[in-house]
Formats: sequence, structure tokens, C-alpha cells
Amino acid sequence: NAGVTQTPKFRILKIGQSMTLQCTQDMNHNYMYWYRQDPGMGLKLIYYSVGAGITDKGEVPNGYNVSRSTTEDFPLRLELAAPSQTSVYFCASSYSKYQTVQQFFGPGTRLTVL
Amino acid sequence: GESVGLHLPTLSVQEGDNSIINCAYSNSASDYFIWYKQESGKGPQFIIDIRSNMDKRQGQRVTVLLNKTVKHLSLQIAATQPGDSAVYFCAEKATGGGADGLTFGKGTHLIIQP
Repeated sequence: NAGVTQTPKFRILKIGQSMTLQCTQDMNHNYMYWYRQDPGMGLKLIYYSVGAGITDKGEVPNGYNVSRSTTEDFPLRLELAAPSQTSVYFCASSYSKYQTVQQFFGPGTRLTVL
Repeated sequence: GESVGLHLPTLSVQEGDNSIINCAYSNSASDYFIWYKQESGKGPQFIIDIRSNMDKRQGQRVTVLLNKTVKHLSLQIAATQPGDSAVYFCAEKATGGGADGLTFGKGTHLIIQP
């Protein structure tokens, strides 16, 4: 299994541009998450999903959108990039409601907005 | 607001010694406390968790201690090895068992001296 994969690894955006961060997992996990990690800080939850067609906001959802059309994919969309969105973005997944403490993380996407 | 935080940003230990990484939390409603390890350029990796009704839990070379009286969590790593060099995050999971993600602290950078 590849686990959780994310693309791209790096991206530089100009203010106002949009992009989609891709996340795919091949572990048949129902639960998926998006976090952002600012320099020297812990991770903050942006959005999460408990299954295909179901998404919900986390702690810092403003400026982002998500969709979950399949179990495997959970893309994160930035519509109007702002410098405050410069961060490293991690996608994660977990198997079940009762195992959500053990999340499997992807390698991250480093995004810079100039 | 309630948060999970760490006492020390950097911890330097000699190879072969035991390491102790500390964490203070303030949310008494958390049901699980978890330790994650993040190596440079990678996503966090689950190490061990402990439920709030436990005081101690052991894994392979790691022990987590929970002191609910003073709201303190610690991770002990026995016989520290070079591969243990990483940033260690404590995290907490709120009660209810929902899939709304984890709340992470800022992290402690563990440095192994040869």
C-alpha cells in the first residue's frame, strides 16, 4: 500500500490565484482530514470527512473548500490564495470512528503565497 | 482558550540515554492523549496513545504517563537512538468519539547527541 499520497510536494502561488491540493489514500479508510502546519507550530484542522459525500469544518476552514466524491480522494481547494495561507498542508486518514486517534499522514504539500 | 502545549521547544540528549518529553494540557474533557513523531520533511507518525482513564501505557521503547491531577502528559523514550531525532507532538482528542480531528501542541524538537 502507498498509504496517503499528496500532490504537489511544493507550490508557489500569487495572491488571488487558486489551486487544488490532491490527497489519495489506498487503505479504504472512511475518515480523512486536512491540517495545516505553520512554522514552529502544531497542526490545525481545516476540514474533515467521515465518508464519501460528507464533509465538515474544522478549526480553521476559512478560505478553503473540500469535496469527497470517493472513499479514496479528498481534495482541498484554495479559491483566492492569500499570504496567510502560506503553510505546509497535511492530509490524513483513519480507519474508523473508534480509531481516529491513530491517523495516517501524507508527506505534505508546502505552499507559498506571494 | 483551551490548548495543548509543551514545556520545552528543544531537548538534547546523549545517545543511549532515556528521553522525557513533557506536555501540559488544559482541556479536562479530552478522552485520549496521543504522541506523534514528525521527522524532517515528513508527515507526523503515530507513536502511542493513552485513554483518559489510564495513568500509564507502554509500547516498544516508549512509555506515556498521564497525570490528570496536574494535567500533564509525558513521553519517555528508552535508550534513545539517532533515529529518534524528530519533533514530537502531543495531541488530544475530545470526548464523543467523533471524527473531528485532533488538537496538537506546538512540538518539542528532540536532538540526539552522539
